[in-house]
Amino acid sequence: QKEVEQDPGPLSVPEGAIVSLNCTYSNSAFQYFMWYRQYSRKGPELLMYTYSSGNKEDGRFTAQVDKSSKYISLFIRDSQPSDSATYLCAMRGLNDYKLSFGAGTTVTVRA
Amino acid sequence: DSGVTQTPKHLITATGQRVTLRCSPRSGDLSVYWYQQSLDQGLQFLIQYYNGEERAKGNILERFSAQQFPDLHSELNLSSLELGDSALYFCASSVSGGWANEKLFFGSGTQLSVL
Repeated sequence: QKEVEQDPGPLSVPEGAIVSLNCTYSNSAFQYFMWYRQYSRKGPELLMYTYSSGNKEDGRFTAQVDKSSKYISLFIRDSQPSDSATYLCAMRGLNDYKLSFGAGTTVTVRA
Repeated sequence: DSGVTQTPKHLITATGQRVTLRCSPRSGDLSVYWYQQSLDQGLQFLIQYYNGEERAKGNILERFSAQQFPDLHSELNLSSLELGDSALYFCASSVSGGWANEKLFFGSGTQLSVL
């Protein structure tokens, strides 16, 4: 079983829809949770990060962490064609240098 | 542009060969990370260097080695290449040791094709 599980999709939604992405994990030591966005033929770039449990909002993006269920989510409101990309969850423990990534979910927003 | 430079962008080689991938971190960043991305395995952590010293090791094969030089650039050496080594290799850098929510900046990757 992988340490971080993420449904690879693909996910196709119409413009303006809410995109819902999620990851589950098995390592209870994970404390820092991030979402990276990767456009085709580019490296991943950090979108959002959250420490421990709770919600964080940044514009059209909301990240949620439920440590009791070992489940994290990313919501994209009013999705745009420019949001079409692969979204990777990533997480790290308190004393970890290594960042563990999910497989990534490919999202297409149709105009 | 993340500020992390990787060369070459594409590399085509044959099985059994050896190649070197190069990475220049963002100015001022002390840590360099190497990741391998393939369709079936996703983004896999290989190794991290901090200010010239190896800091963390992931799923790096014995045929692979890396180093970070005094000017902080890094090289990933892949030898005795196999078909299964074909993947996108990313370098990332961060300001310090990679703690907590420290942000990683990724380069655009080197696409390695082993024929």
